[in-house]
Amino acid sequence: DAGITQSPRYKITETGRQVTLMCHQTWSHSYMFWYRQDLGHGLRLIYYSAAADITDKGEVPDGYVVSRSKTENFPLTLESATRSQTSVYFCASVGDRVNRGYTFGSGTRLTVV
Amino acid sequence: KQEVTQIPAALSVPEGENLVLNCSFTDSAIYNLQWFRQDPGKGLTSLLLIQSSQREQTSGRLNASLDKSSGRSTLYIAASQPGDSATYLCAVRRNTGFQKLVFGTGTRLLVSP
Repeated sequence: DAGITQSPRYKITETGRQVTLMCHQTWSHSYMFWYRQDLGHGLRLIYYSAAADITDKGEVPDGYVVSRSKTENFPLTLESATRSQTSVYFCASVGDRVNRGYTFGSGTRLTVV
Repeated sequence: KQEVTQIPAALSVPEGENLVLNCSFTDSAIYNLQWFRQDPGKGLTSLLLIQSSQREQTSGRLNASLDKSSGRSTLYIAASQPGDSATYLCAVRRNTGFQKLVFGTGTRLLVSP
């Protein structure tokens, strides 16, 4: 089915472990984004990508790594998870035309214990 | 730096009322403004997208207006229903630099039967 999918939906990991959140979109959108959502902070941009192999930092990039070897995939890796990274993570994409709206995935709820 | 504010933060109304949610932004250099709905524990669902050249958009009982020069948008919900209970987020897409989406903090709506 066309759309944007995130996996896993839920993840519990231990402090210090590496964890990767996956995001896949089927529209061949150029732009993809990772946001985290926390109570009291709303949605904050972690990283974004304008095309394959082009990524840049958002507001809160520390502790995260992204890659984009293929247009349709934009994985987010927590290199050494910390409790402060417990959050809900949303992936989004938008096409090249500026009159398009963003589409969001269903989110990944990550708990770091 | 673009800042987006939503008022009120929370709203409780009886079923059947018409209501208005407000969104204001500090920088009028935007491509468009998007209203989203988020149910508890769920992802973001796009409701309406207004281009910077448009004044309003309608979808069913929803009507969104945009006054770019004053940095304001409103989301009007007619004849509210309990199923409208959710958090409503507005977000603006900047037309400078990388076209990131900047979110407001949301309005939590509760419609009582």
